Amino acid sequence: DVKVTQSSRYLVKRTGEKVFLECVQDMDHENMFWYRQDPGLGLRLIYFSYDVKMKEKGDIPEGYSVSREKKERFSLILESASTNQTSMYLCASSLLTGVVLNSPLHFGNGTRLTVT
Amino acid sequence: AQSVTQPDIHITVSEGASLELRCNYSYGATPYLFWYVQSPGQGLQLLLKYFSGDTLVQGIKGFEAEFKRSQSSFNLRKPSVHWSDAAEYFCAVGSRDLSSGSARQLTFGSGTQLTVLP
Repeated sequence: DVKVTQSSRYLVKRTGEKVFLECVQDMDHENMFWYRQDPGLGLRLIYFSYDVKMKEKGDIPEGYSVSREKKERFSLILESASTNQTSMYLCASSLLTGVVLNSPLHFGNGTRLTVT
Repeated sequence: AQSVTQPDIHITVSEGASLELRCNYSYGATPYLFWYVQSPGQGLQLLLKYFSGDTLVQGIKGFEAEFKRSQSSFNLRKPSVHWSDAAEYFCAVGSRDLSSGSARQLTFGSGTQLTVLP
Protein backbone atom coordinates (compact mmCIF):
# COMPACT_ATOMS: atom_id res chain seq x y z
CA ASP A 1 0.00 0.00 0.00
CA VAL A 2 1.27 3.47 -0.90
CA LYS A 3 2.44 5.53 1.98
CA VAL A 4 3.01 9.25 1.95
CA THR A 5 4.62 10.44 5.14
CA GLN A 6 4.79 14.01 6.29
CA SER A 7 7.44 14.47 8.92
CA SER A 8 5.44 16.65 11.29
CA ARG A 9 1.80 16.56 12.28
CA TYR A 10 1.87 19.93 14.02
CA LEU A 11 4.36 22.78 13.81
CA VAL A 12 4.48 26.14 15.54
CA LYS A 13 6.90 28.69 14.14
CA ARG A 14 7.58 32.37 14.62
CA THR A 15 7.20 35.05 11.99
CA GLY A 16 10.34 35.36 9.91
CA GLU A 17 11.61 31.85 10.58
CA LYS A 18 12.66 29.58 7.75
CA VAL A 19 10.41 26.51 7.78
CA PHE A 20 10.93 23.14 6.15
CA LEU A 21 8.06 20.72 5.58
CA GLU A 22 9.19 17.28 4.54
CA CYS A 23 7.32 14.64 2.57
CA VAL A 24 8.45 11.14 1.67
CA GLN A 25 6.66 8.55 -0.47
CA ASP A 26 7.61 4.92 -0.71
CA MET A 27 6.18 3.86 -4.09
CA ASP A 28 8.62 5.33 -6.60
CA HIS A 29 6.05 7.85 -7.82
CA GLU A 30 7.17 10.40 -10.39
CA ASN A 31 4.70 13.10 -9.40
CA MET A 32 4.67 14.91 -6.09
CA PHE A 33 2.56 17.86 -5.00
CA TRP A 34 2.21 20.35 -2.18
CA TYR A 35 -1.22 21.77 -1.38
CA ARG A 36 -2.46 24.03 1.35
CA GLN A 37 -5.94 23.55 2.74
CA ASP A 38 -7.93 26.41 4.24
CA PRO A 39 -11.57 26.44 5.35
CA GLY A 40 -13.86 27.52 2.55
CA LEU A 41 -11.06 27.52 0.00
CA GLY A 42 -10.50 23.80 -0.46
CA LEU A 43 -7.07 22.68 -1.58
CA ARG A 44 -4.84 25.03 -3.49
CA LEU A 45 -1.76 23.83 -5.32
CA ILE A 46 1.49 25.47 -4.26
CA TYR A 47 4.12 23.56 -6.24
CA PHE A 48 4.48 20.25 -7.99
CA SER A 49 7.23 18.13 -9.42
CA TYR A 50 7.33 15.47 -12.11
CA ASP A 51 10.89 14.37 -11.63
CA VAL A 52 13.99 14.83 -9.55
CA LYS A 53 15.24 18.42 -9.56
CA MET A 54 12.21 19.45 -11.54
CA LYS A 55 9.56 21.80 -10.15
CA GLU A 56 6.68 23.83 -11.45
CA LYS A 57 4.64 26.54 -9.82
CA GLY A 58 1.07 25.85 -8.90
CA ASP A 59 -1.64 28.39 -8.25
CA ILE A 60 -0.19 30.05 -5.13
CA PRO A 61 3.63 29.74 -5.14
CA GLU A 62 4.38 33.15 -3.62
CA GLY A 63 6.31 32.90 -0.38
CA TYR A 64 7.21 29.24 -0.96
CA SER A 65 9.93 27.24 -2.63
CA VAL A 66 10.48 23.51 -3.03
CA SER A 67 13.27 21.02 -3.35
CA ARG A 68 13.35 17.59 -4.90
CA GLU A 69 16.84 16.15 -4.70
CA LYS A 70 15.64 12.54 -4.53
CA LYS A 71 12.65 10.92 -6.18
CA GLU A 72 11.02 9.90 -2.92
CA ARG A 73 11.36 13.23 -1.11
CA PHE A 74 9.71 16.56 -1.80
CA SER A 75 10.32 19.46 0.57
CA LEU A 76 8.32 22.64 0.94
CA ILE A 77 10.24 25.66 2.19
CA LEU A 78 8.86 28.83 3.68
CA GLU A 79 11.78 31.23 3.34
CA SER A 80 10.39 33.70 5.89
CA ALA A 81 7.23 32.49 7.54
CA SER A 82 4.33 34.89 7.88
CA THR A 83 1.07 34.62 9.80
CA ASN A 84 -0.93 34.27 6.57
CA GLN A 85 0.88 31.01 5.95
CA THR A 86 -0.82 29.44 8.94
CA SER A 87 -2.62 26.53 7.33
CA MET A 88 -2.87 22.79 6.82
CA TYR A 89 -0.31 21.57 4.30
CA LEU A 90 -0.93 18.38 2.37
CA CYS A 91 1.61 16.46 0.35
CA ALA A 92 0.53 14.05 -2.37
CA SER A 93 2.13 11.75 -4.89
CA SER A 94 1.00 9.85 -7.96
CA LEU A 95 2.33 7.47 -10.55
CA LEU A 96 2.12 8.66 -14.11
CA THR A 97 1.13 5.61 -16.14
CA GLY A 98 0.93 5.86 -19.86
CA VAL A 99 -1.63 8.06 -21.53
CA VAL A 100 -4.22 8.21 -18.81
CA LEU A 101 -3.55 8.86 -15.18
CA ASN A 102 -4.71 5.60 -13.67
CA SER A 103 -3.12 6.12 -10.35
CA PRO A 104 -4.92 8.50 -8.00
CA LEU A 105 -3.26 11.09 -5.83
CA HIS A 106 -2.10 9.56 -2.57
CA PHE A 107 -2.15 12.05 0.25
CA GLY A 108 -0.25 12.31 3.48
CA ASN A 109 -2.13 13.12 6.68
CA GLY A 110 -1.09 16.74 6.61
CA THR A 111 1.00 19.15 8.64
CA ARG A 112 -0.84 21.83 10.55
CA LEU A 113 1.43 24.85 10.64
CA THR A 114 0.83 27.78 12.95
CA VAL A 115 2.90 30.92 12.49
CA THR A 116 2.80 33.30 15.43
CA ALA B 1 -8.16 28.19 -16.43
CA GLN B 2 -10.13 25.41 -14.88
CA SER B 3 -12.31 25.87 -11.80
CA VAL B 4 -14.60 23.83 -9.60
CA THR B 5 -17.63 24.98 -7.63
CA GLN B 6 -19.22 23.06 -4.80
CA PRO B 7 -22.24 25.19 -3.93
CA ASP B 8 -23.09 23.44 -0.66
CA ILE B 9 -20.71 24.18 2.20
CA HIS B 10 -22.48 21.92 4.66
CA ILE B 11 -25.13 19.20 4.21
CA THR B 12 -26.91 17.25 6.93
CA VAL B 13 -28.74 14.00 6.22
CA SER B 14 -30.20 11.24 8.37
CA GLU B 15 -28.63 7.83 8.35
CA GLY B 16 -30.26 5.70 5.67
CA ALA B 17 -31.35 8.68 3.59
CA SER B 18 -30.10 9.30 0.07
CA LEU B 19 -27.36 11.80 -0.65
CA GLU B 20 -26.41 14.04 -3.53
CA LEU B 21 -23.43 16.40 -3.41
CA ARG B 22 -23.20 18.93 -6.18
CA CYS B 23 -20.17 19.81 -8.26
CA ASN B 24 -19.92 22.16 -11.24
CA TYR B 25 -16.75 22.66 -13.23
CA SER B 26 -15.36 25.03 -15.78
CA TYR B 27 -12.87 23.65 -18.28
CA GLY B 28 -12.40 24.25 -21.99
CA ALA B 29 -12.15 20.62 -23.06
CA THR B 30 -13.36 17.25 -21.87
CA PRO B 31 -12.34 17.17 -18.24
CA TYR B 32 -10.92 14.56 -15.98
CA LEU B 33 -13.16 14.61 -12.89
CA PHE B 34 -12.62 13.21 -9.42
CA TRP B 35 -14.30 12.99 -6.03
CA TYR B 36 -12.17 12.70 -2.90
CA VAL B 37 -13.21 12.22 0.72
CA GLN B 38 -11.38 13.47 3.79
CA SER B 39 -12.12 11.98 7.18
CA PRO B 40 -11.18 14.03 10.26
CA GLY B 41 -7.43 14.17 10.78
CA GLN B 42 -6.71 12.31 7.58
CA GLY B 43 -5.50 13.03 4.11
CA LEU B 44 -7.78 12.73 1.09
CA GLN B 45 -8.86 9.41 -0.38
CA LEU B 46 -10.09 8.91 -3.93
CA LEU B 47 -13.75 7.85 -4.19
CA LEU B 48 -14.11 7.73 -7.96
CA LYS B 49 -12.94 9.29 -11.21
CA TYR B 50 -14.25 10.00 -14.69
CA PHE B 51 -12.00 10.10 -17.72
CA SER B 52 -14.23 9.09 -20.63
CA GLY B 53 -16.88 6.58 -21.67
CA ASP B 54 -19.87 5.74 -19.51
CA THR B 55 -21.03 8.93 -17.82
CA LEU B 56 -22.17 7.09 -14.70
CA VAL B 57 -19.17 5.95 -12.70
CA GLN B 58 -19.08 3.73 -9.67
CA GLY B 59 -16.69 4.25 -6.82
CA ILE B 60 -15.78 2.83 -3.48
CA LYS B 61 -18.03 2.74 -0.42
CA GLY B 62 -21.19 2.59 -2.54
CA PHE B 63 -20.77 6.02 -4.11
CA GLU B 64 -21.48 6.88 -7.72
CA ALA B 65 -21.27 10.05 -9.80
CA GLU B 66 -22.74 11.15 -13.09
CA PHE B 67 -20.99 13.35 -15.63
CA LYS B 68 -23.37 15.69 -17.43
CA ARG B 69 -21.58 17.69 -20.07
CA SER B 70 -24.59 19.90 -20.86
CA GLN B 71 -24.74 21.03 -17.23
CA SER B 72 -20.98 20.99 -16.57
CA SER B 73 -21.74 18.90 -13.52
CA PHE B 74 -20.35 15.85 -11.80
CA ASN B 75 -22.64 15.21 -8.83
CA LEU B 76 -21.87 12.54 -6.26
CA ARG B 77 -24.64 10.26 -5.03
CA LYS B 78 -25.25 7.50 -2.55
CA PRO B 79 -28.62 5.78 -2.12
CA SER B 80 -28.32 5.15 1.62
CA VAL B 81 -25.91 7.05 3.83
CA HIS B 82 -24.07 5.41 6.73
CA TRP B 83 -22.84 7.22 9.83
CA SER B 84 -19.27 6.48 8.74
CA ASP B 85 -19.81 8.63 5.62
CA ALA B 86 -19.59 11.78 7.73
CA ALA B 87 -16.58 13.59 6.29
CA GLU B 88 -15.62 16.40 3.95
CA TYR B 89 -16.00 15.77 0.24
CA PHE B 90 -14.00 17.43 -2.50
CA CYS B 91 -14.66 17.53 -6.21
CA ALA B 92 -11.66 18.09 -8.47
CA VAL B 93 -11.00 18.66 -12.15
CA GLY B 94 -7.80 17.60 -13.84
CA SER B 95 -5.96 19.52 -16.50
CA ARG B 96 -4.82 17.50 -19.42
CA ASP B 97 -1.26 17.30 -20.57
CA LEU B 98 -1.60 17.84 -24.30
CA SER B 99 1.41 15.73 -25.21
CA SER B 100 0.43 12.63 -23.29
CA GLY B 101 -3.27 13.11 -22.58
CA SER B 102 -2.73 12.45 -18.91
CA ALA B 103 -4.10 14.46 -16.03
CA ARG B 104 -1.12 16.28 -14.59
CA GLN B 105 -2.58 18.38 -11.79
CA LEU B 106 -5.89 18.86 -10.08
CA THR B 107 -7.96 21.89 -9.15
CA PHE B 108 -10.12 21.26 -6.11
CA GLY B 109 -13.44 22.69 -5.06
CA SER B 110 -13.89 24.26 -1.65
CA GLY B 111 -15.44 21.12 -0.20
CA THR B 112 -18.78 20.02 1.26
CA GLN B 113 -18.94 18.96 4.87
CA LEU B 114 -21.38 16.07 5.39
CA THR B 115 -23.01 15.48 8.76
CA VAL B 116 -24.99 12.27 9.29
CA LEU B 117 -27.70 12.22 11.95
CA PRO B 118 -28.47 8.96 13.74
